[in-house]
Amino acid sequence: AQSVAQPEDQVNVAEGNPLTVKCTYSVSGNPYLFWYVQYPNRGLQFLLKYITGDNLVKGSYGFEAEFNKSQTSFHLKKPSALVSDSALYFCAVKDFNKFYFGSGTKLNVKP
Amino acid sequence: GAGVSQSPRYKVAKRGQDVALRCDPISGHVSLFWYQQALGQGPEFLTYFQNEAQLDKSGLPSDRFFAERPEGSVSTLKIQRTQQEDSAVYLCASSLVGGGSNQPQHFGDGTRLSIL
Repeated sequence: AQSVAQPEDQVNVAEGNPLTVKCTYSVSGNPYLFWYVQYPNRGLQFLLKYITGDNLVKGSYGFEAEFNKSQTSFHLKKPSALVSDSALYFCAVKDFNKFYFGSGTKLNVKP
Repeated sequence: GAGVSQSPRYKVAKRGQDVALRCDPISGHVSLFWYQQALGQGPEFLTYFQNEAQLDKSGLPSDRFFAERPEGSVSTLKIQRTQQEDSAVYLCASSLVGGGSNQPQHFGDGTRLSIL
C-alpha cells in the first residue's frame, strides 16, 4: 500500500533561516510525490511534484524538494523562510486516481 | 479564472439529518475527487469521478454516503442520517485529465460540517 509519513507535527524556524519539512514514503513502483500547503480555513494549494528526472524539484513561492530514493524521502526546503510561509504542509503520494496524504506539519516562522 | 467552488462553506446539522454538499469544479476538468479531512489530519480519499462516471468509491465510509455527478460537471456529496463522527471538512478537488496522470489536483476551500 502507498503511504507517506511526516515525522514532525510542528517545525519552528526564524525568518530568514532555511527551513526543512520532512517526508518519507512507502510505495510500490515509481512514486509520484507532491507537496501541498494549507492556510487556515482554505483548501490545499499545490506547491510542487516529483515524477521522474532531476532529484531536486523547484516549485512555487521559492520552495524546492529533494527526492532521495535510497532514503525514500522527499523533504521540502526553502533557503530563506518568510513569516507568510507559516501554514500547514502536506506531503502526498499519488496512486492512479488517489492521493495519500501525510498527517501534516505545521510550519511556524517567527519574525 | 475561477477555481473549485464548494458550498456551503459551513454546515451545521443535527444528528440524523441528511445533508448535501456541492462542488463546482474548474470548467473543463474531467476528474473530480472528494476527500474527508478530520481535525488535525490529512485529507482522506472518499471517491473519484471521471466525467459522470464514478470510477472509485472505495473510500466512502458507509452506505450513508453517496456522491453523484450526473452531467459530468457539478458534483454533490450526500450524507444520510448524519452521525457525530461525520463532522469534518469535506474537500473537493478537480484535475484536467484522467486519474492516472501525474497532474496535480486543484482543491476547493471545503465545507466544514458539524453534527450536533
